Order: sequence, then C-alpha cells, then structure tokens
Amino acid sequence: AQSVAQPEDQVNVAEGNPLTVKCTYSVSGNPYLFWYVQYPNRGLQFLLKYITGDNLVKGSYGFEAEFNKSQTSFHLKKPSALVSDSALYFCAVRDRTYNTDKLIFGTGTRLQVFP
Amino acid sequence: SQTIHQWPATLVQPVGSPLSLECTVEGTSNPNLYWYRQAAGRGLQLLFYSVGIGQISSEVPQNLSASRPQDRQFILSSKKLLLSDSGFYLCAWAKGTTNEKLFFGSGTQLSVL
Repeated sequence: AQSVAQPEDQVNVAEGNPLTVKCTYSVSGNPYLFWYVQYPNRGLQFLLKYITGDNLVKGSYGFEAEFNKSQTSFHLKKPSALVSDSALYFCAVRDRTYNTDKLIFGTGTRLQVFP
Repeated sequence: SQTIHQWPATLVQPVGSPLSLECTVEGTSNPNLYWYRQAAGRGLQLLFYSVGIGQISSEVPQNLSASRPQDRQFILSSKKLLLSDSGFYLCAWAKGTTNEKLFFGSGTQLSVL
C-alpha cells in the first residue's frame, strides 16, 4: 500500500532562516506526491506536487520540494522562512491503483517560525 | 471556476443524535469526492471516497456512512453519534482522470457532547 511518513511532529525555525519539513514515501510504481498546508480551523491548501520530470518542484508562497528517488524522500523547503509560514504541513501520496483513487496523508508537521 | 461548499461550519450534537453533513461541488462534472476526518488538529484519516454516483468506498469501519445521490453532492451521515465521532470533517474533490490535486472545503467542526 502507498504511504508517506513525516518523522517530525514539529519544526521550529527563526524568521529569515531556511526551513525543511521532511517526508519519506513508500509506493509501488511511480509516486504522485503532494504537499498541503493547513492554517487553524481551515481546509487544506495545495502547495505543490511531483508527478514526473524535474526533481525540484516549485510551488506556492516560495516553497519548493525535492524528489529524491534513491532516498525515497520528498522534503519541503523554503530558503527564508516567514512568521506567516507557521502552520500545519502535510505530505501526501495519491493512490491510483485499480478501482482506487485516493490521497493518503502523512501525520502532519507543525511549523513554528519565530520572529 | 470550480468551487466546493461544505456546511455547516460548526456543529454541536448530543450523543445518540443523527448527523448529516453536506458537500457540493460546482463548476465540474464527474469529480472524485472524499470525506476526511482530522482529530485534534493532526493527521487526516480518509473515511470515504466516491468515483461516481452511488459508488462509495469505505476506508475504515465506523459509525458513519456516506452517500452520493447526485454527481456533485456528497453526504456524510450517522444514525447515532458517538463521542468518538467528534472532529474536524473535510470534504474534497479531484478530477478523476488525472493526477491533479485535491481541492478541500473549509471543514466542519463537529463536537459530540
């Protein structure tokens, strides 16, 4: 079965510093990977996706993610963190096997950016 | 453009009462539809998904059920709520024929007392 893991419950970073939120995946076949962000009491917002092609994917709000097949990772990154980036971040994999089409989420990582 | 509507935003219900949460999508046809539950502001658990009218897949055994009476309508129900049904419920849709992203509704905060 397809799955993703987010090993960190929380990541703390100072404003202006680079940030990384980690995600590893386990899939059979080609992975379709996503990052979403959730602000308090809101639905999830799409940040970026990897389907195929360039391993470095650029997304919304200055975020990017690097697909690494050998390490089965898809870490989310940003060169310079903002206080407004503080939120809950989810990595996800789309499972589109026979008769199935669903998005499986990781447990989430809370990002706290300090001024 | 496509939009997704989910209501109500908040709901407080007594144990043993019925539940009906509704989700509708506009601006697209034959979407895949999903219900997720999020407990205590953390991970999302997929409850149900549907790839077409009347087609419901249940991911986990539970006290809830889902129905899709129309192409763009997805309903989450319960005959008798349990305390453990409390949580943040999110509806989402995606285009069925591609690997495009999911679009989420704004969620329903359900408190069962």
